[in-house]
Amino acid sequence: KNQVEQSPQSLIILEGKNCTLQCNYTVSPFSNLRWYKQDTGRGPVSLTIMTFSENTKSNGRYTATLDADTKQSSLHITASQLSDSASYICVVSPYYGGSQGNLIFGKGTKLSVKP
Amino acid sequence: NAGVTQTPKFRVLKTGQSMTLLCAQDMNHEYMYWYRQDPGMGLRLIHYSVGEGTTAKGEVPDGYNVSRLKKQNFLLGLESAAPSQTSVYFCASSSIGTSGRVGYNEQFFGPGTRLTVL
Repeated sequence: KNQVEQSPQSLIILEGKNCTLQCNYTVSPFSNLRWYKQDTGRGPVSLTIMTFSENTKSNGRYTATLDADTKQSSLHITASQLSDSASYICVVSPYYGGSQGNLIFGKGTKLSVKP
Repeated sequence: NAGVTQTPKFRVLKTGQSMTLLCAQDMNHEYMYWYRQDPGMGLRLIHYSVGEGTTAKGEVPDGYNVSRLKKQNFLLGLESAAPSQTSVYFCASSSIGTSGRVGYNEQFFGPGTRLTVL
């Protein structure tokens, strides 16, 4: 069964510190992996999209890595800010013979950044 | 550009009542989607549309109907609401694929509709 597992479920860090969120998936065949940020009470917003041939992609202080062999991805946040407090969702797109596969969403990691 | 908008933002229904959620996008996207988000679960696809006049079932379609009469609008209907449909509903839209790679199309989400069914 295609699944996306994220860890930890929740994380509290101090402002200015770095953190890394993990994502493991069993989706195969695989098209691309995305990380979304979801602020409380809002819709998810895309941070990065990586295909199987890409192993790192950055968006400001956010850096996503992908190891397609081990089916693992991580999202590293550098010099955290209070505004980074949100849920971070790992999303995987399957690949079905040339057709768009429906996205498979992880449950998210809830990050709280404290002053 | 407003992006993806959803109405209403909040709604409380009684069991058995019906309602329609409206999603609108101004990005000229071909694809539109309806998801639900429940505590402790990832977003789940209810229905989607790959173009005006077409719809398809997602992972959890039972109890919902959809229509895409205009390219910019995607409606989600609940004919007879049940407490199990209490959830936050998100609409999203995407283009066919800017890089030409199938499946490589970013989805843009609306702000959500919080629905409670008593």
